[in-house]
Amino acid sequence: GENVEQHPSTLSVQEGDSAVIKCTYSDSASNYFPWYKQELGKRPQLIIDIRSNVGEKKDQRIAVTLNKTAKHFSLHITETQPEDSAVYFCAASLTGGGNKLTFGTGTQLKVEL
Amino acid sequence: NAGVMQNPRHLVRRRGQEARLRCSPMKGHSHVYWYRQLPEEGLKFMVYLQKENIIDESGMPKERFSAEFPKEGPSILRIQQVVRGDSAAYFCASSPGSSDEQFFGPGTRLTVL
Repeated sequence: GENVEQHPSTLSVQEGDSAVIKCTYSDSASNYFPWYKQELGKRPQLIIDIRSNVGEKKDQRIAVTLNKTAKHFSLHITETQPEDSAVYFCAASLTGGGNKLTFGTGTQLKVEL
Repeated sequence: NAGVMQNPRHLVRRRGQEARLRCSPMKGHSHVYWYRQLPEEGLKFMVYLQKENIIDESGMPKERFSAEFPKEGPSILRIQQVVRGDSAAYFCASSPGSSDEQFFGPGTRLTVL
């Protein structure tokens, strides 16, 4: 089955700096890669996703890149703000609906003033 | 349009009791997924259901755990004879049939005394 590894487990940045979180996956058949943000005690919220037919996707301060050959994908947050502080999870699955998500172990991001 | 609903939000059980967790998907969503999140860990897939059918239960323990999604009413995750190791946050997610995106509920935090 699929295995997703995520690094780093904790990340501390100064406000305004960039943050990068990296994930690798094992199943070359996976082609859907969402990222979720989870604040303490809250539900995971989908913030961005990418499918294997594209290499990069951007939404305001958030971008995701995908390297299918190397089987890794990354989340980039620019101009970080204190409200970006949360746990971020990457995940992988097949496309087409009705497929389970395999999650990474999470990255605790702390944006310091 | 209400999001995914889960109840109860918090559930306390003593060892050996039964726990019943409920999930109402978003309107128009026919697919339900259950995930378990242990403290300080990522989410682990348990089971995927459509109305009246279990599609994938590969992540669900063979003993004591069961799930259903009846024609009418919410999806139910049932844990019989709970043990301390069952203490976790249980999240359900829903999606429309053809969509990759999964939208999470607020979770049920189960504590076994």
